[in-house]
Amino acid sequence: GAVVSQHPSRVICKSGTSVKIECRSLDFQATTMFWYRQFPKQSLMLMATSNEGSKATYEQGVEKDKFLINHASLTLSTLTVTSAHPEDSSFYICSARDPPSTADTQYFGPGTRLTVL
Amino acid sequence: GESVGLHLPTLSVQEGDNSIINCAYSNSASDYFIWYKQESGKGPQFIIDIRSNMDKRQGQRVTVLLNKTVKHLSLQIAATQPGDSAVYFCAEGGNQGGKLIFGQGTELSVKP
Repeated sequence: GAVVSQHPSRVICKSGTSVKIECRSLDFQATTMFWYRQFPKQSLMLMATSNEGSKATYEQGVEKDKFLINHASLTLSTLTVTSAHPEDSSFYICSARDPPSTADTQYFGPGTRLTVL
Repeated sequence: GESVGLHLPTLSVQEGDNSIINCAYSNSASDYFIWYKQESGKGPQFIIDIRSNMDKRQGQRVTVLLNKTVKHLSLQIAATQPGDSAVYFCAEGGNQGGKLIFGQGTELSVKP
C-alpha cells in the first residue's frame, strides 16, 4: 500500500515555457501532499504543502506565482513550474500522507527530473 | 528551518559487515522520526520509523535507536549488502503540522 506516482519522470524544456508535474496517490486518498526539490548531493528541500480543496502553503523563499500547486482531488496534486529557467532545473519529488496513519509518515513518488535549456 | 546539506557525508563498508548511520536532529519537541533510503535518481523509500516514547525499534535487518537526551538517531543495518548502497536520510516530525524536517543524508557505499 501507500504507493505514490509521478508523471513525467523526466522532462526537458526550453527556457520560458511552463511544465506541469503530476503526483498521484494510487491506493489511498491523500488530503495532504508535499512538494520537494532536491539538488545533486543535497537533502530534500520542502517547497510547499498541498491541501485538497484549499490553497497550498508555501515555504519561505518559494515563489507561489512561479510554482503553482493545485490539489483538486484526493488523489492528485499538480505542480506547474511557470516560465521555467535553467536555474529551475532540479529533481522534484512529491509525497503524500496516508490519512489512516496517525503519524507524519510521508510516502514519496519516484521524482521528476526537470532540465531547462 | 529545513536542514540542507552542502555535501553528503559518506560511509564505506564491506559487504557482510554491519553499518551504522548517525543523525543529529534539531528540534527537541519532535516526537516522530523516520529513516528513508534514496537510490540514485529515485524518490526516498520508507525504511523504519520510531516514536519518541521508544528508544529502539527493530525491523528486518535494520534497527533504529533514539537518544532524546542528546537528540541523536541512528540506523543500524545488519549484514550490509550491495543493494543497501544508497543515500540515507533521517527525518523528524510530529510538531510541524505534518511536515518533516530532513537531515543532510549519508551516502552508504558497500564494497563487495
